[in-house]
Amino acid sequence: DAMVIQNPRYQVTQFGKPVTLSCSQTLNHNVMYWYQQKSSQAPKLLFHYYDKDFNNEADTPDNFQSRRPNTSFCFLDIRSPGLGDAAMYLCATKNRFSYNEQFFGPGTRLTVL
Amino acid sequence: GENVEQHPSTLSVQEGDSAVIKCTYSDSASNYFPWYKQELGKGPQLIIDIRSNVGEKKDQRIAVTLNKTAKHFSLHITETQPEDSAVYFCAASTGGAQKLVFGQGTRLTINP
Repeated sequence: DAMVIQNPRYQVTQFGKPVTLSCSQTLNHNVMYWYQQKSSQAPKLLFHYYDKDFNNEADTPDNFQSRRPNTSFCFLDIRSPGLGDAAMYLCATKNRFSYNEQFFGPGTRLTVL
Repeated sequence: GENVEQHPSTLSVQEGDSAVIKCTYSDSASNYFPWYKQELGKGPQLIIDIRSNVGEKKDQRIAVTLNKTAKHFSLHITETQPEDSAVYFCAASTGGAQKLVFGQGTRLTINP
């Protein structure tokens, strides 16, 4: 089945130790999003790619970076994780020809020790 | 920018009863309104959506209504079942920006 896959599902890192989360999709969608979701809160958009064009949200900290080497893969890099970065990180995709329907992956839960 | 308010934050209903969740939005340019269901430890799953040129949409036990004038939309779940227990998020989007703004979420509990 076509889907959005996130690896790992659970990630533990130490304070200040760089970490990379990955997302892949078999939907061939050209738009990919990264959201941060803290406990009992709504998903908050960090940035998105429209094809290779990177779009950063104004309030996304510089500590968060992203790479999209090809259509299928997208990475979220957290350069120096702080305790406040512990959250669920969600990847989503969208077909440019679809009105606005976004498909979400299962998420990666990040713990910072 | 867009702001979406969602109520209630928690909702508990008896199995078989109906549940209603309401959202309001601020940007009159918003034209797409999805509802997502999120189960514990999983990503949000789209359950129904509505576009601004439609006032109501129904899919089996789930329906969504949109009032563009008042800038609010609602999710209606009839004949609720235990598997409907989850957190539900509404969202609004303007097509050009391709970004969703989510409401705060409603934790729905179906009591057997």
